[in-house]
Amino acid sequence: SAVISQKPSRDICQRGTSLTIQCQVDSQVTMMFWYRQQPGQSLTLIATANQGSEATYESGFVIDKFPISRPNLTFSTLTVSNMSPEDSSIYLCSVGFSGRGGWEQFFGPGTRLTVL
Amino acid sequence: DAKTTQPPSMDCAEGRAANLPCNHSTISGNEYVYWYRQIHSQGPQYIIHGLKNNETNEMASLIITEDRKSSTLILPHATLRDTAVYYCIVRVANAGGTSYGKLTFGQGTILTVHP
Repeated sequence: SAVISQKPSRDICQRGTSLTIQCQVDSQVTMMFWYRQQPGQSLTLIATANQGSEATYESGFVIDKFPISRPNLTFSTLTVSNMSPEDSSIYLCSVGFSGRGGWEQFFGPGTRLTVL
Repeated sequence: DAKTTQPPSMDCAEGRAANLPCNHSTISGNEYVYWYRQIHSQGPQYIIHGLKNNETNEMASLIITEDRKSSTLILPHATLRDTAVYYCIVRVANAGGTSYGKLTFGQGTILTVHP
């Protein structure tokens, strides 16, 4: 398994500002993912972040709004830019790799963002 | 990825087995069935996965029908701490495709375990 930590765990931000969320993994992993979970909803994949390449964004998500960095195999950041109240969500980091039992994917505890 | 269908909610008495069904009638041969759960305010927790054989681990058992169009997650002795949203997900297994590694979450089943 992998132990994933996120910072901050929660934040309250003002409209128009930006927040950078950090994700740290206790082992080297190739694939990292960022998800969003809006209030009362399921998880939606924002982008896939592989080390050494540009992040791949899902439909409805763009780099200008959610820039991602992946400087090494244990760390990634997601920035939520020019925030509005609609961005209030839980943002989750996830890592995946091929283990003994095939593909394994684990999630961080999430960052709860409230935009006023 | 194949779509899954789960009941929106289920109840279970503490100490009894919880059987959570999932339909995935459009599953293809290279797709695995994964189960995760999300306890309130936490990140999703991996439970179990399988391709076509039944699987068992310390948390649960996964029963996949022979035609692979449906599966059942079994929590043999449910406790109050098993109250959570349970997600059934099918996922491609082949490396190199654009959807490799992605987990697409549906709405899941809210399992409530009561005393």
